[in-house]
Amino acid sequence: DAGVTQSPTHLIKTRGQQVTLRCSPKSGHDTVSWYQQALGQGPQFIFQYYEEEERQRGNFPDRFSGHQFPNYSSELNVNALLLGDSALYLCASSDGGTGTQYFGPGTRLLVL
Amino acid sequence: KNEVEQSPQNLTAQEGEFITINCSYSVGISALHWLQQHPGGGIVSLFMLSSGKKKHGRLIATINIQEKHSSLHITASHPRDSAVYICAVRGGSNYKLTFGKGTLLTVNP
Repeated sequence: DAGVTQSPTHLIKTRGQQVTLRCSPKSGHDTVSWYQQALGQGPQFIFQYYEEEERQRGNFPDRFSGHQFPNYSSELNVNALLLGDSALYLCASSDGGTGTQYFGPGTRLLVL
Repeated sequence: KNEVEQSPQNLTAQEGEFITINCSYSVGISALHWLQQHPGGGIVSLFMLSSGKKKHGRLIATINIQEKHSSLHITASHPRDSAVYICAVRGGSNYKLTFGKGTLLTVNP
């Protein structure tokens, strides 16, 4: 049984560009949450998707958007990249959103 | 003031020692999570608890809802326990997790 997978593992972009990160949840899970983790900090909640809708959002600007597909996989899109968007982006899946969260390995994004 | 505070920030121990990491939070919660993060980023969920105590192998997690405090204990610590341990809480009807900054544990042989 594959756990949570994310792609790509690493990404380098320049300021102003756009990026799309992908996440496949653990089998049987219907909820995907996205987190941003800056170096030396704990993860910060970006948003959660359930039934293809954004169910809750953290304090992130509209440049951060997402999508969930019918197979429960999810994408995180970031437009107009800033240097401060450099971070580890983590995806976590769960059954219904309130249970144990299973984390993917993350995508490390570097914005130059 | 952060909603979730962990202490200590850094902890160095000798193999075999008993380890305690503390987490205090300022909001009402419906669940508290303890997570382990190794260098390179991968996060593993250790415990989710809303009351009392849970044990898994050498790891024990306790929570006191009235005092808004949780502890993670590691008995007979081993160098492979070296990692960042993170406390996270989910409040009320919220779906989001709010994380502490983590505690970096180094266990020396």
